[in-house]
Amino acid sequence: AQSVTQLDSQVPVFEEAPVELRCNYSSSVSVYLFWYVQYPNQGLQLLLKYLSGSTLVESINGFEAEFNKSQTSFHLRKPSVHISDTAEYFCAETTGNQFYFGTGTSLTVIP
Amino acid sequence: NAGVTQTPKFQVLKTGQSMTLQCAQDMNHEYMSWYRQDPGMGLRLIHYSVGAGITDQGEVPNGYNVSRSTTEDFPLRLLSAAPSQTSVYFCASRRAAGSYEQYFGPGTRLTVT
Repeated sequence: AQSVTQLDSQVPVFEEAPVELRCNYSSSVSVYLFWYVQYPNQGLQLLLKYLSGSTLVESINGFEAEFNKSQTSFHLRKPSVHISDTAEYFCAETTGNQFYFGTGTSLTVIP
Repeated sequence: NAGVTQTPKFQVLKTGQSMTLQCAQDMNHEYMSWYRQDPGMGLRLIHYSVGAGITDQGEVPNGYNVSRSTTEDFPLRLLSAAPSQTSVYFCASRRAAGSYEQYFGPGTRLTVT
């Protein structure tokens, strides 16, 4: 069965420091990978996605993630976080119709 | 476009009661899904639909029914609510096969006492 593992449930980080949120996926076939962000009391918003092509994908607000097939990972990084990045982040995978989500990482940016 | 809308935002039910969570989208998306979100468990797929008249089960379908009579609407029915169904429910839609960007509604917070 497909599964996504997010290795850290909570990540506190100081403002302007770098951050990495870790995600490992399980599928051994062609897989599509995503990071979603959820702000308090809201639905999920797509942050970035890997479908094919370049293994490094970027979002418009400075996040990036790298697809690593040999390590079955899709870690999310940002070189300098802002207070507004405080949110819950979910990694997800799909090979077709069904999406599988990780348990989420709560990122708290400390002023 | 309103995107994906869900009603109600909050609901409290007693054990054994039934109710329908509404979901609608105005983007003419073929695919629609229902998820539940529980602390420490992420989002889990309940049911999904790949078009009007077509539905299928996800990871956690027990206790829930769905139907898809129109492209726009995808209601989720709880036939006999149980405390284990206390959760936040999200509806999502995406354009079609090969389109993987999901759009999520704002959620319905359900408490079953």
